[in-house]
Order: sequence, then C-alpha cells, then structure tokens
Amino acid sequence: SQQGEEDPQALSIQEGENATMNCSYKTSINNLQWYRQNSGRGLVHLILIRSNEREKHSGRLRVTLDTSKKSSSLLITASRAADTASYFCATGETSGSRLTFGEGTQLTVNP
Amino acid sequence: DVKVTQSSRYLVKRTGEKVFLECVQDMDHENMFWYRQDPGLGLRLIYFSYDVKMKEKGDIPEGYSVSREKKERFSLILESASTNQTSMYLCASSLRTGGNNSPLHFGNGTRLTVT
Repeated sequence: SQQGEEDPQALSIQEGENATMNCSYKTSINNLQWYRQNSGRGLVHLILIRSNEREKHSGRLRVTLDTSKKSSSLLITASRAADTASYFCATGETSGSRLTFGEGTQLTVNP
Repeated sequence: DVKVTQSSRYLVKRTGEKVFLECVQDMDHENMFWYRQDPGLGLRLIYFSYDVKMKEKGDIPEGYSVSREKKERFSLILESASTNQTSMYLCASSLRTGGNNSPLHFGNGTRLTVT
C-alpha cells in the first residue's frame, strides 16, 4: 500500500532557482527518508529525518518534517542541471521494519 | 561504499518461462529487499529478508518467490512469467541495526520484458 504521496508530480525550473518537493503520509512513522533516482538507475539515499526532528540540512538540501500535518518537504537550493532526477520520499512506520515509497516527483532543471 | 549488484540490466523472457533475478551485496548487510517500479505506481515491495533462509512477503508477492541461501545473495524468482510482470525490478540492502532507520542501498535495476 502506498504511504507517501509526493507533490508536485513534475517540476521544471531554471538553473539557480530553488526546488521544493512535498510529501504527505498517512500513518505514524519512525523516520522519513528522501531518495533520488537518475533515469534508468537505482535510487540513491539523500537524507533521513527522524520523527522527533523538525529540520535537517545536508549541503544544498534542506528537509523539514511536520508530524502533526503528516508532511515533509525537500528543498534543493541553487539548483543545477545535474539535479535533474526523480525524487522519492519513503516512510519507516512505527510498526515494522520496512520502508514504503511514494510515487516520486520528476524534477527537471533547465540550463 | 556499499555495492549492490544486479546480474542483468535488461532481460527479455517469454510468457511461461521461469525467470531468476539475482542480487548480490558486498557490505554484509542483513536486510535485503526486492521492489518493482512501474510508472504511476512508484516502488512496491515484493519480498524482503532479514537473514539467511528467512523471507517475508511484501505488498505484492503473488507470482513471485525468493531465495536467500547466503547472506550476500537474494534471488527473485518468477515461477511462470506473465506479461503483467514486465517492469523495472530493484534490489536493495540495509543494515538490520536501527530497523527501518537504516538507509537502503539500491542496485541499478533490471528491466524485465515478458513477451
């Protein structure tokens, strides 16, 4: 069953702009993770935020988590053409040990 | 760096064939997973394993089975391939420590076409 839902499904921006992607989920979670997938490749882990954290940074990435609204956002600042990829959120539920993925946001950064 | 290797990038099989998808990881991870990825449906968990000879069903196990005879290897088996199993198959591994707080490491995927 799908847990996370990303919004928007697709996003197209110019190089240098910021990109914001959102994820909503339904059940209680231990953590929320963001992954990136280049076309035709596997997913690569970007960042993990635990349920007791509200914000986390990694380089040009900023992730927020609002457990009261059951939502998270991923912000990529000063985007580059190389950031073009699909981005997925994945939730680790409080019961169980596996992750459930959303459908992803396709980000296109135009040079 | 963790390396998860899937034996084939592209595979074409006929309906009714038995298909083996192989996955090997080199970082001594306890957990291994098989997902399939389809447009508009995201990643869906087929089977996973927390230890050798151990397996658990995911969300869509029908038509699939798995084998984990060695810690580093997790095989996905399509007993009798059907056209609706045409998809991208992704293998992943993670440390057992921390439960689902451990990030997944993915292979590059196998694109299977069943004709």
